[in-house]
Amino acid sequence: DAGVIQSPRHEVTEMGQEVTLRCKPISGHDYLFWYRQTMMRGLELLIYFNNNVPIDDSGMPEDRFSAKMPNASFSTLKIQPSEPRDSAVYFCASSRDRETLGLDFGPGTRLLVL
Amino acid sequence: QKEVEQDPGPLSVPEGAIVSLNCTYSNSAFQYFMWYRQYSRKGPELLMYTYSSGNKEDGRFTAQVDKSSKYISLFIRDSQPSDSATYLCAMSATRGNTGKLIFGQGTTLQVKP
Repeated sequence: DAGVIQSPRHEVTEMGQEVTLRCKPISGHDYLFWYRQTMMRGLELLIYFNNNVPIDDSGMPEDRFSAKMPNASFSTLKIQPSEPRDSAVYFCASSRDRETLGLDFGPGTRLLVL
Repeated sequence: QKEVEQDPGPLSVPEGAIVSLNCTYSNSAFQYFMWYRQYSRKGPELLMYTYSSGNKEDGRFTAQVDKSSKYISLFIRDSQPSDSATYLCAMSATRGNTGKLIFGQGTTLQVKP
């Protein structure tokens, strides 16, 4: 299996622009997670889906962030408008089922908002 | 106060040394404890997990949980340069994916040849 796939791997944009991050989970995994990692705050859960349905979005920082999962093999995290404080590494992770311990993380997208 | 505290390091040791990495936590409801390893510019990967208190050993790695002290540790014996990475502890009150996984900040380890 190719593992969790994320694109783009790097994104540099200007403040105010829309940013879309993409994720393809491992086939057969029912859970998908979006995390953000910064030096100051570490790894934080933004939102997670079960069978394409958002379950907990309490970690989404504000209305500028939105996430969708239109089907079992694709999810997007969108930031509109982007701000410099959104600069971070964004990870997508997936997990097979409710009982599985541990997550399979993707390689991350490094976002820099100027 | 953060729910999970972890010294960010960096920690530098010579090859062959025993490494001790630690986390403290405040939420007594945490039952599942994990250690992830993250190489530079990669995503975290699950290294070990334990349930409740006690020890678990896997090769050169030993995970230890002391719930009475709210303290968990990861020991690495005979450390190798390939062990150089950031180690994140993570914990949850419930098994699997019904609850939030809370991560520590991560400790950066460098093993020098």
